[in-house]
Amino acid sequence: DAMVIQNPRYQVTQFGKPVTLSCSQTLNHNVMYWYQQKSSQAPKLLFHYYDKDFNNEADTPDNFQSRRPNTSFCFLDIRSPGLGDAAMYLCATSRVGGWTEAFFGQGTRLTVV
Amino acid sequence: AQRVTQPEKLLSVFKGAPVELKCNYSYSGSPELFWYVQYSRQRLQLLLRHISRESIKGFTADLNKGETSFHLKKPFAQEEDSAMYYCALSGQGGGSNYKLTFGKGTLLTVNP
Repeated sequence: DAMVIQNPRYQVTQFGKPVTLSCSQTLNHNVMYWYQQKSSQAPKLLFHYYDKDFNNEADTPDNFQSRRPNTSFCFLDIRSPGLGDAAMYLCATSRVGGWTEAFFGQGTRLTVV
Repeated sequence: AQRVTQPEKLLSVFKGAPVELKCNYSYSGSPELFWYVQYSRQRLQLLLRHISRESIKGFTADLNKGETSFHLKKPFAQEEDSAMYYCALSGQGGGSNYKLTFGKGTLLTVNP
């Protein structure tokens, strides 16, 4: 009964080869987030969608892009992964319009070789 | 701008001892404060939020607006409490104030 599902759980990609991570939700939440979490560090917000409105963090590299074709799905595209992009990528959802929590997926562990 | 500060990166206590994980925040409006927990190899999950005023797994946290703090407390720590704890904030209002911002986290180790 997982509510935020990330695929794949583990992704290995080559240096410079584009990669896409996916996230789906069954909660019908209007906000979807992508966080990057490196070892022993806090989740770092990359960007988020409020419905179709895309909100990029100021320090998110241009190498990272996102798509949200509909309410349920959100994708993280890394155009040219570098070794420094190896991390856990977390997707989360929340509902704006009331006090609520964020629900997280299990994450995708990205390895760049 | 939203900011969450967790001054302790690591905290180690013995089983049965009281534990307090500190969190301070900076936000100009009315914030909602959360504590999230990440157990080893598990997803990040909500532990508690200030608006609920509830106690989860023996943990409580009180929002102190005067001191802009939201410290997490438990009177008697258990070994299963060992985890990474993140304080987080979201706000109301226009712009992107609703987005969830995390502190750097505190790794709690409860020793037998």
